[in-house]
Amino acid sequence: QSVLTQPPSASGTPGQRVTISCSGSRSNIGSNTVNWYQQLPGTAPKLLIYSHDQRPSGVPDRFSGSKSGTSASLAISGLRSEDEADYYCVTWDDSLNAVVFGGGTKLTVL
Amino acid sequence: EVQLVESGGGLVQPGGSLRLSCAASGFTFSYYWMHWVRQAPGRGLEWVANIKQDGSEIYYVDSVKGRFTISRDNAKNSLYLQMNGLRAEDTAVYYCATSLLAATSHWGQGTLVTVSS
Repeated sequence: QSVLTQPPSASGTPGQRVTISCSGSRSNIGSNTVNWYQQLPGTAPKLLIYSHDQRPSGVPDRFSGSKSGTSASLAISGLRSEDEADYYCVTWDDSLNAVVFGGGTKLTVL
Repeated sequence: EVQLVESGGGLVQPGGSLRLSCAASGFTFSYYWMHWVRQAPGRGLEWVANIKQDGSEIYYVDSVKGRFTISRDNAKNSLYLQMNGLRAEDTAVYYCATSLLAATSHWGQGTLVTVSS
């Protein structure tokens, strides 16, 4: 069971907007920066969002992140078939002295 | 071009040992925290360990403490993971990665470790 809680699945149709949540606590999301990773089938994860809401160069602005209190969210607008992937939130936990990942959310584009 | 290439994976019996290596190129290795992350078949990502630029800080997930040892050689641009007392639940693809929590992060393609009799 992951320290950070994500829904196991999410879905949407092309063009729609979907949101993936990541719930934590004061010792992790409440105190530290959150990054998001995208893992396409059969490939290594790729950084999608850093510091809650910043996009690395090359990441489309369809992807956005936010944080409020002890939760973070990833939003994908204008959904495309190539967005079908697993998405993970990650942060540091001050109590565990460890990096913690969410359990991952499998996004299906219908 | 940034490259991280893992090696050393394979089939090992329960209780056995393996040493994973990660060869880095295309960036200044000594500037970055380095991590090992694993992914069991069909499962999510699990952080395993990390090590500071100069090796002065090291952290592990509880499930590998006392069995795994992370190390680095900045002169050789290499990261290592010594795994002892391997268990079936350690079966996974092991990735090395830079700075998981920073503005940039690079990952290798992973090496598969299978623990089975």
